[in-house]
Amino acid sequence: KAGVTQTPRYLIKTRGQQVTLSCSPISGHRSVSWYQQTPGQGLQFLFEYFSETQRNKGNFPGRFSGRQFSNSRSEMNVSTLELGDSALYLCASAETGTGLNEQFFGPGTRLTVL
Amino acid sequence: GQNIDQPTEMTATEGAIVQINCTYQTSGFNGLFWYQQHAGEAPTFLSYNVLDGLEEKGRFSSFLSRSKGYSYLLLKELQMKDSASYLCAVRGGFQKLVFGTGTRLLVSP
Repeated sequence: KAGVTQTPRYLIKTRGQQVTLSCSPISGHRSVSWYQQTPGQGLQFLFEYFSETQRNKGNFPGRFSGRQFSNSRSEMNVSTLELGDSALYLCASAETGTGLNEQFFGPGTRLTVL
Repeated sequence: GQNIDQPTEMTATEGAIVQINCTYQTSGFNGLFWYQQHAGEAPTFLSYNVLDGLEEKGRFSSFLSRSKGYSYLLLKELQMKDSASYLCAVRGGFQKLVFGTGTRLLVSP
């Protein structure tokens, strides 16, 4: 089975722009979660989608949004980029995302905001 | 809310045993995970505990005490390749998985 894939791997944007990141989960996985990782804050939970519905949400401003398609692929969007949004954005997929169900992480998208 | 605490950094020598602690406070509990993350790479799953006690997997073991909100990851016979960050994550209410900030382990010869 192919692993979780994320595109693009690297991205450079300027303040005020918007960005869309994409995640393709492992085949058969219906849960997709997004995380922001920075050196000081660690892995911060953004949101989780399951069967096209947002099931959980972290404490990020409304500039961060996401969606999931019927094939379980997911996108996240960040509007009006700020310098502090520079981070590694990780996507993780799971079969159901409950209980023992472990998450498998993609390689991440490294976003730099100038 | 959820709060997860781990030491920021630990050092150990090759061949030794190291224990990485994690304490948590969550609303609801549906399991605790440990992940390993090498620099520049994505986290990979190590272990899962949902009942009290010790789970052993080769050189790695993980312990959970739900009443104390406490877990530890035990690494035996340390190897240089074990130098990495170790992330404790708790699946709380509504199945939300939240990570601690991670413990950076440095293994020296």
